Amino acid sequence: ETGVTQTPRHLVMGMTNKKSLKCEQHLGHNAMYWYKQSAKKPLELMFVYSLEERVENNSVPSRFSPECPNSSHLFLHLHTLQPEDSALYLCASSQDRASANNEQFFGPGTRLTVL
Amino acid sequence: RKEVEQDPGPFNVPEGATVAFNCTYSNSASQSFFWYRQDCRKEPKLLMSVYSSGNEDGRFTAQLNRASQYISLLIRDSKLSDSATYLCVVNFSYGGSQGNLIFGKGTKLSVKP
Repeated sequence: ETGVTQTPRHLVMGMTNKKSLKCEQHLGHNAMYWYKQSAKKPLELMFVYSLEERVENNSVPSRFSPECPNSSHLFLHLHTLQPEDSALYLCASSQDRASANNEQFFGPGTRLTVL
Repeated sequence: RKEVEQDPGPFNVPEGATVAFNCTYSNSASQSFFWYRQDCRKEPKLLMSVYSSGNEDGRFTAQLNRASQYISLLIRDSKLSDSATYLCVVNFSYGGSQGNLIFGKGTKLSVKP
């Protein structure tokens, strides 16, 4: 497989559930990102990892917990979510963070619904 | 304040039309600029970078005006397959943070036969 893959593509969960989103990139990139895309809002950056180290957390609630075990994989662990967390969660990767022309490649996203 | 603003549209145009999208950004220290395209229920994909001198890629022309903090995208001879949402994206560096992309809400284009 090539590019950036995400699983699951769709997820419905209750507010008391715990679930995890998975992202894998096959591009040899050093940086990975989690974004949230809600209806009628711009993409919001949630977390940034560079060389497996978290370098930025954009004030995301603690009910979202990222994990980057290696440079190819990124997880987003979810627990006690709220209905307003329903959104499309997009993973992206780029060669590195510091380059000005920093093209990011996105996965297809996980459409999350919290009941 | 970090913002990228776009006209949300939708822009409904006939095939063959020329259409232009505009975008403004608030941070004068922005370093690089892009247009991404997002098809319905798909992920964003890079359409083109935007350079200070302006650049063209086939039917697409991007312009940057740093003084006015303004970016544009011109699509000539539009095709049905151009129907998508076009995202204006700016690379900010601030407070020691670098390499973060800030996205506009997007402008929706619908090209009709």
